[in-house]
Amino acid sequence: ELKVEQNPLFLSMQEGKNYTIYCNYSTTSDRLYWYRQDPGKSLESLFVLLSNGAVKQEGRLMASLDTKARLSTLHITAAVHDLSATYFCAVDPPGGNQFYFGTGTSLTVIP
Amino acid sequence: NAGVMQNPRHLVRRRGQEARLRCSPMKGHSHVYWYRQLPEEGLKFMVYLQKENIIDESGMPKERFSAEFPKEGPSILRIQQVVRGDSAAYFCASSPRKQGTPNYGYTFGSGTRLTVV
Repeated sequence: ELKVEQNPLFLSMQEGKNYTIYCNYSTTSDRLYWYRQDPGKSLESLFVLLSNGAVKQEGRLMASLDTKARLSTLHITAAVHDLSATYFCAVDPPGGNQFYFGTGTSLTVIP
Repeated sequence: NAGVMQNPRHLVRRRGQEARLRCSPMKGHSHVYWYRQLPEEGLKFMVYLQKENIIDESGMPKERFSAEFPKEGPSILRIQQVVRGDSAAYFCASSPRKQGTPNYGYTFGSGTRLTVV
């Protein structure tokens, strides 16, 4: 079965610091998605990465995709408290009918 | 456009009862997906449906769970004789096109949180 692993699972960081969340997956895919989930809420789409080398940025978040390494990163720059949430990556392999989600990274930004 | 509507938002059932979860896709979306999220875990695929057809139910438990997406009305995920282990958040997503086609994309509903007591 396809595996999607995120690390770290839990991340506590101070405001203003930088950090990277990693998403590794075990099969060929050139589509990867990042979502944010606040407690008790649904998933909010952050980034859609559709090719090797894709890089997208929105505010303090930047996502990249390396399909050869089967790795995506979500980089947080100068974290602020509002970024506290759980972040999921999801892989969409060719010919499939489902997304495979990572286990999630619970981010807490401390003032 | 109201987005993907799920109801109820919260559902409490006693062990052995039935749970019915509803999902109305976005207008113009004919592809519906159900996912389950257990506490502290990521989402796991359950079933993919198009109008009146189940396309892929490889993630559905073999017993007690069923899904439909009739010609008229919302998609329904039905869980019979619920057990404590069914307690989870159930999310529905819809898309206008088949997964993998250009400009394909999911929109998630706000979920139904099922608690079995």
